[in-house]
Amino acid sequence: ETGVTQSPTHLIKTRGQQVTLRCSSQSGHNTVSWYQQALGQGPQFIFQYYREEENGRGNFPPRFSGLQFPNYSSELNVNALELDDSALYLCASSLDVGFDQPQHFGDGTRLSIL
Amino acid sequence: DQQVKQNSPSLSVQEGRISILNCDYTNSMFDYFLWYKKYPAEGPTFLISISSIKDKNEDGRFTVFLNKSAKHLSLHIVPSQPGDSAVYFCAASDTGANNLFFGTGTRLTVIP
Repeated sequence: ETGVTQSPTHLIKTRGQQVTLRCSSQSGHNTVSWYQQALGQGPQFIFQYYREEENGRGNFPPRFSGLQFPNYSSELNVNALELDDSALYLCASSLDVGFDQPQHFGDGTRLSIL
Repeated sequence: DQQVKQNSPSLSVQEGRISILNCDYTNSMFDYFLWYKKYPAEGPTFLISISSIKDKNEDGRFTVFLNKSAKHLSLHIVPSQPGDSAVYFCAASDTGANNLFFGTGTRLTVIP
């Protein structure tokens, strides 16, 4: 059983640039969620995708957007990068939509904004 | 506004003793709660969960207690083992709104 994989593991960007982070779900999982974890904080929910549609969103501006593909893999896109976007970005997949079940996390992408 | 709070940033416990990790929440709409464990350089891994219709859930050495009136939950680990040393996150969900909120984590160190 293949777990959740994220790429790249590390990324350095400058303010104003755009970035795309990628995530492959665990086999059999149809739901993907994305989180931002700043240093010393817990993960913050960005959004959840189910069957290629956004299904729930946290308190993040529209410049954070996502996609889910027919194979249930996913992308997180962030436009107009700001210094405060520097964080660990975590992807998690689950068997079904919602949060009343375990999520399986990848090891994250560390994004640094200069 | 932090809706889920873990007020103890760290906890040290002797091997074999009980570890008790605490979590408080403010939103009365939360109806599902989860605990995750995180090792350095790895993503969080699911540990145990509880629905708001229960007040206790047990899985091996891990037990979660929920006190809805106090808006408080706790994770008990008995007996604690050195491999339990990690950061523990409490998370709460309003399943109707489809959101999830994490606390800031408690670093548990189990001393051999």
